[in-house]
Amino acid sequence: GENVGLHLPTLSVQEGDNSIINCAYSNSASDYFIWYKQESGKGPQFIIDIRSNMDKRQGQRVTVLLNKTVKHLSLQIAATQPGDSAVYFCAENPGGYNKLIFGAGTRLAVHP
Amino acid sequence: GAGVSQTPSNKVTEKGKYVELRCDPISGHTALYWYRQSLGQGPEFLIYFQGTGAADDSGLPNDRFFAVRPEGSVSTLKIQRTERGDSAVYLCASSLIQTPNSPLHFGNGTRLTVT
Repeated sequence: GENVGLHLPTLSVQEGDNSIINCAYSNSASDYFIWYKQESGKGPQFIIDIRSNMDKRQGQRVTVLLNKTVKHLSLQIAATQPGDSAVYFCAENPGGYNKLIFGAGTRLAVHP
Repeated sequence: GAGVSQTPSNKVTEKGKYVELRCDPISGHTALYWYRQSLGQGPEFLIYFQGTGAADDSGLPNDRFFAVRPEGSVSTLKIQRTERGDSAVYLCASSLIQTPNSPLHFGNGTRLTVT
């Protein structure tokens, strides 16, 4: 939605650097986790997901790490580009369908 | 192909009025979800449809909120006697099937402002 990113924690990086966005999830029963990217005025866009039986999954320029012991997720973006600037949300799925619980979000600002 | 379409993109209404928000899911997607996103926060679940029936409406805040999906495709979220606290972006999402590994595809939302 519009004005997404107000009052959110912000991560500022230089173009070409790697970015790491962290998230703590709440429900020990969650077995599926997703990262979404949300640009201003748009809906969340799927980036990458991971099941609880994995601790790492890689996509194109992105990697998600899952630490179930401390209920922590991270999203790593390699060679960050200006087009990566957006708000990033982690989401957990504690149930059998997509009744997702979203985290608070982190705004990523990429500077040329 | 076309994504999830939501209309209107913006809606301004006066306190106490009735509003309807429309969602056209991706063709063939059987599962449809409504979420609400307040400023600076992540989306919050409202209701989930599998086909025509509301399988889980536990996220609807109160009985002023109601949603339908009569033919298993288009859905309408209806809000009666709107209040200023209802102001938010209402997001619709659909997925091919209802299992967790069928990713949600979100629309761009309807931004509702209650004055």
